[in-house]
Amino acid sequence: SQKIEQNSEALNIQEGKTATLTCNYTNYSPAYLQWYRQDPGRGPVFLLLIRENEKEKRKERLKVTFDTTLKQSLFHITASQPADSATYLCALNTGGFKTIFGAGTRLFVKA
Amino acid sequence: DGGITQSPKYLFRKEGQNVTLSCEQNLNHDAMYWYRQDPGQGLRLIYYSQIVNDFQKGDIAEGYSVSREKKESFPLTVTSAQKNPTAFYLCASSLRPGQGPGGANVLTFGAGSRLTVL
Repeated sequence: SQKIEQNSEALNIQEGKTATLTCNYTNYSPAYLQWYRQDPGRGPVFLLLIRENEKEKRKERLKVTFDTTLKQSLFHITASQPADSATYLCALNTGGFKTIFGAGTRLFVKA
Repeated sequence: DGGITQSPKYLFRKEGQNVTLSCEQNLNHDAMYWYRQDPGQGLRLIYYSQIVNDFQKGDIAEGYSVSREKKESFPLTVTSAQKNPTAFYLCASSLRPGQGPGGANVLTFGAGSRLTVL
């Protein structure tokens, strides 16, 4: 069955460091992969999208890589700030209406 | 200010009761979705609608019903047949696949409704 795995353990890092979150998937050939941010008690907010034929995408302090051979995406936040503390969700879509989400990884950035 | 409005934010239900969660969007999106979120699990798709007067079952539709009479509105009813309804419910909308940025289906979510069964 199709499966998306994100590290269930929370990631704790010091302010100013780079946070790296991992998303692995199996039995899936996504057309593109998305990353969302979710704050406690709120709905997810779209951050970045990367297509299957792209290796890397950047937006300000965010960087996403996509390796379709390894079936893995890495999400980086450089110069992290306490305001970056949230849960980050990985999501896959094959191009239709259905988007499948991972359970998310909780990030804590300490000042 | 465009967006999705979900109500109520918190809802309590007694055993055997049906409850309806409201979702309204003013983004002029054709597609709308309902997801359920449980601790430690990814969002799971309940129902989605591609256009007015049309909707399809998602992965966990049993015990739920929806309607799409207007483009802006996609209410979800949690029926008494849903055995474990306590969860955080998220409504989302999007342009039709192919119409989004680079053809991608990017979702805009509401703030969510938390349903608790007493």
